[in-house]
Amino acid sequence: LAKTTQPISMDSYEGQEVNITCSHNNIATNDYITWYQQFPSQGPRFIIQGYKTKVTNEVASLFIPADRKSSTLSLPRVSLSDTAVYYCLVGYYGGSQGNLIFGKGTKLSVKP
Amino acid sequence: DTEVTQTPKHLVMGMTNKKSLKCEQHMGHRAMYWYKQKAKKPPELMFVYSYEKLSINESVPSRFSPECPNSSLLNLHLHALQPEDSALYLCASSQSRGETQYFGPGTRLLVL
Repeated sequence: LAKTTQPISMDSYEGQEVNITCSHNNIATNDYITWYQQFPSQGPRFIIQGYKTKVTNEVASLFIPADRKSSTLSLPRVSLSDTAVYYCLVGYYGGSQGNLIFGKGTKLSVKP
Repeated sequence: DTEVTQTPKHLVMGMTNKKSLKCEQHMGHRAMYWYKQKAKKPPELMFVYSYEKLSINESVPSRFSPECPNSSLLNLHLHALQPEDSALYLCASSQSRGETQYFGPGTRLLVL
């Protein structure tokens, strides 16, 4: 399973765009990249998933370069409620594989 | 129904007690998971059920006993726990093993 590396923490202000980068140098061909958000004492919440290039949904964008050795989660115009821990996971979807290993995550603090 | 529910929300138990945690989903998912999360740490996978059969046991002590009575329900039976087992216990489900997981809110367990 590919190991991920993320910054331990990041600070931002309301209204700013936040980009959190995750490194996964040994990502395998079949691996997808998934990001989760977790508030204290709650279960992780699925944010976005991608395989290559760019994926966008109503809450975030995910940028994946051609070599797929890293990915960047982009949160547009963050608010105080986006203060949370963000986890990047890499795993193989399908077949008999697919166990997700959570890395240490990035604690995002949004200030007024 | 697009959520995973867990009961109870909080549980306090002594080291000689027997208790059970319950997880339920009605999304038709055929894979269900138990995770353990200590404070300020990422979730750690404990068990994976696929089509109601235990497919992964991540070397969890026998004082934790999972059970999957049907495709919608997952239990975790607890017996003779230790204080260091105090943690947030998270349940998740996915369409099939390896696909995107959706988490419940967790059960906060305190072992005295």
